[in-house]
Amino acid sequence: RKEVEQDPGPFNVPEGATVAFNCTYSNSASQSFFWYRQDCRKEPKLLMSVYSSGNEDGRFTAQLNRASQYISLLIRDSKLSDSATYLCVVNTGRRALTFGSGTRLQVQP
Amino acid sequence: NAGVMQNPRHLVRRRGQEARLRCSPMKGHSHVYWYRQLPEEGLKFMVYLQKENIIDESGMPKERFSAEFPKEGPSILRIQQVVRGDSAAYFCASSPPPDNEQFFGPGTRLTVL
Repeated sequence: RKEVEQDPGPFNVPEGATVAFNCTYSNSASQSFFWYRQDCRKEPKLLMSVYSSGNEDGRFTAQLNRASQYISLLIRDSKLSDSATYLCVVNTGRRALTFGSGTRLQVQP
Repeated sequence: NAGVMQNPRHLVRRRGQEARLRCSPMKGHSHVYWYRQLPEEGLKFMVYLQKENIIDESGMPKERFSAEFPKEGPSILRIQQVVRGDSAAYFCASSPPPDNEQFFGPGTRLTVL
């Protein structure tokens, strides 16, 4: 079983749509959680950290459910520029980050 | 403040040759991480270094791969006797004191012919 599992997609949505991605992790000792964005053939960039209380940054909302070991990302009012691969990332306290394989999002005009 | 720098950006090697990948962390960062991304897969942790010390190499293949971060100069990831399966994107990240955000470099794309 992978340490971090994501639906690879692709998710094809029209501009303005709301789209949600989910992720599960296997290590219950995981301490911190993130969503990164990776554009084609480029480096991953931090989108947002994820907290148990849930957090929002503009059109992006992230949620963490420790009991279910489940992380989500909601994108509202999708833009063409949101097209990318979204990586669910977990830190188990070893300082190394554990990445999911990513979920591809394609926003269409 | 320049970001994490990696060079070369693209590297082509024939089977059996050596590959040397360099990473200069952001100014003020003393922690360096190397990750490998195979085609269509997520990033996989390889090694975590501080200046002159390897802290965690649990993700490094047992043979042919080595890493260093000398007191002066960039961190180096060295792959000896490369094979086709080593073809991948190798990303370096750096951070200030641990547990802070890791900032990624643009990566080195290694192609083994």
